[in-house]
Amino acid sequence: SQKIEQNSEALNIQEGKTATLTCNYTNYSPAYLQWYRQDPGRGPVFLLLIRENEKEKRKERLKVTFDTTLKQSLFHITASQPADSATYLCARGLSSASKIIFGSGTRLSIRP
Amino acid sequence: ETGVTQTPRHLVMGMTNKKSLKCEQHLGHNAMYWYKQSAKKPLELMFVYSLEERVENNSVPSRFSPECPNSSHLFLHLHTLQPEDSALYLCASSQEGQGLRNGYTFGSGTRLTVV
Repeated sequence: SQKIEQNSEALNIQEGKTATLTCNYTNYSPAYLQWYRQDPGRGPVFLLLIRENEKEKRKERLKVTFDTTLKQSLFHITASQPADSATYLCARGLSSASKIIFGSGTRLSIRP
Repeated sequence: ETGVTQTPRHLVMGMTNKKSLKCEQHLGHNAMYWYKQSAKKPLELMFVYSLEERVENNSVPSRFSPECPNSSHLFLHLHTLQPEDSALYLCASSQEGQGLRNGYTFGSGTRLTVV
């Protein structure tokens, strides 16, 4: 199948540390990966996109990498804050015209 | 507000009821989507409308019936649901061809409970 997997259901870290979330795929090559943030009782909010020919993308304290050899994307939040606590979703697209499919998410908790 | 409005926010219905979920987008997008989100499961894509035509139906039971009367509005008609249909139903929109760069814009969802 062409699923996208987020192996960690939950991640707890200390404020100020870097949070690193993982997204894996197997048996196919997505053209791009997207990352979303979802707060309780709300819909996901788009954060970043990275294409298969890009190694790294940054936006403020966020950094996303795409390793086609490991079939993995890493999502980093540097200098984490309690306000960063949320569920983070990885999503893949096979082409620019395809619909995106989501992983099950990682619930991130930043403790003061 | 994100530009995608869903109503109602919460809905409790019996298995014999008929109800409808409504989604409205104010972004000028030409593609709209229904997703189902159950606890500890990935978002499941249910239906896709592009330019008001249904282009995808992911083996969704017939007790769910979508309707897209124009590019700004999307409905999900519900009838004779089962308790396992209880979930958060999310509507999203995108500009065809730009969903890649700009992502999908989601509404806040309708929390549905079937009793």
